[in-house]
Amino acid sequence: AQKVTQAQTEISVVEKEDVTLDCVYETRDTTYYLFWYKQPPSGELVFLIRRNSFDEQNEISGRYSWNFQKSTSSFNFTITASQVVDSAVYFCALSEVLTGGGNKLTFGTGTQLKVEL
Amino acid sequence: EAEVAQSPRYKITEKSQAVAFWCDPISGHATLYWYRQILGQGPELLVQFQDESVVDDSQLPKDRFSAERLKGVDSTLKIQPAELGDSAMYLCASSLLAGYRNEQFFGPGTRLTVL
Repeated sequence: AQKVTQAQTEISVVEKEDVTLDCVYETRDTTYYLFWYKQPPSGELVFLIRRNSFDEQNEISGRYSWNFQKSTSSFNFTITASQVVDSAVYFCALSEVLTGGGNKLTFGTGTQLKVEL
Repeated sequence: EAEVAQSPRYKITEKSQAVAFWCDPISGHATLYWYRQILGQGPELLVQFQDESVVDDSQLPKDRFSAERLKGVDSTLKIQPAELGDSAMYLCASSLLAGYRNEQFFGPGTRLTVL
């Protein structure tokens, strides 16, 4: 079975600090997709990024960057110069093909990020 | 910007009562998912639809839960009877295409409290 581990339950930083959220995954598939979602207090999961297992290039989008390392089964997320609006729960997820032909996202337990002034 | 709509946003009920949640996916999205998120955990898939057909419901507690998507557009998730352990956030998601490579877009969820 697939598994996603987010060991950091909660992280607190002061605004403008950089912060890295860790994600480690387990899968026996050779082709897979990884995702990051943000869940603000309103509850809606907001899609941030998708990465396939063949593309190990790091990606940067504004203040966000992602480091995918297949050798260590990690897909870490860094926020540069954090802001109060970044406060949310962040989930890493692994896409899995189901036996009956469906698919699902296997989520980690999430990391609560608190950015304070 | 297109969004997944869900209602109600909050529902409080007593155990043994019936509850129903509604979801309207992004227009044109053929694939619809229902997830359950217990406080402090990540969402877990309950059921997946492709158009009006159930693709996977292996994690749906079928003795009390049912889901339908009659016309392949909006969907309803029902619990009857509700139990205390059903207290959770129920999230609906949709994707344009089926398949594990496609991102899923989530609605705001329905937070259920069973007393």
